[in-house]
Amino acid sequence: GAGVSQSPRYKVAKRGQDVALRCDPISGHVSLFWYQQALGQGPEFLTYFQNEAQLDKSGLPSDRFFAERPEGSVSTLKIQRTQQEDSAVYLCASSWAGDYNEQFFGPGTRLTVL
Amino acid sequence: SQQGEEDPQALSIQEGENATMNCSYKTSINNLQWYRQNSGRGLVHLILIRSNEREKHSGRLRVTLDTSKKSSSLLITASRAADTASYFCATDEGQLTFGSGTQLTVLP
Repeated sequence: GAGVSQSPRYKVAKRGQDVALRCDPISGHVSLFWYQQALGQGPEFLTYFQNEAQLDKSGLPSDRFFAERPEGSVSTLKIQRTQQEDSAVYLCASSWAGDYNEQFFGPGTRLTVL
Repeated sequence: SQQGEEDPQALSIQEGENATMNCSYKTSINNLQWYRQNSGRGLVHLILIRSNEREKHSGRLRVTLDTSKKSSSLLITASRAADTASYFCATDEGQLTFGSGTQLTVLP
């Protein structure tokens, strides 16, 4: 595949459930980003990986949010004990290397917490 | 928190007209990027302008950057119905900080 893929595309969870969202970046891309986009708003930064190292997690809204990229490729964003305010589109993006480059976005996962 | 603010929030024009969207930001930047998002889809990168550049063109797109005013504009010339989308500016501090977007509607 040529682009960033994310799965699932849609996820409905009951409040209190744990969810795991997957991102497959473009092959060879060193940097991987997660963003959260609320309805009608621009995306907001959650966390950043360079290879397998999580270099910035300052945007994660609470300790219920956890991200990993153990082999420096696929990444998983996990949300524990989901709350209604977690309902949003979660976007993953990757870029070649380092900072200040074009980021390529996946289609996102729309999470709805009931 | 969102760094950039787009203006207007919504814009509706006729096909063939030009569309101008503005973005203001708060802090120093390395570069500023513009993205397009179609409804329910991911973001598509349109253009990147570096802090030492003042104007950049790409096809029907023209972007300006005024670092003294901390503002940027995106001009789409000869708009088409397919240009209907949300447009976001994003300042690049390693991670991108997006504005709240302009919803552009191009009427056929």
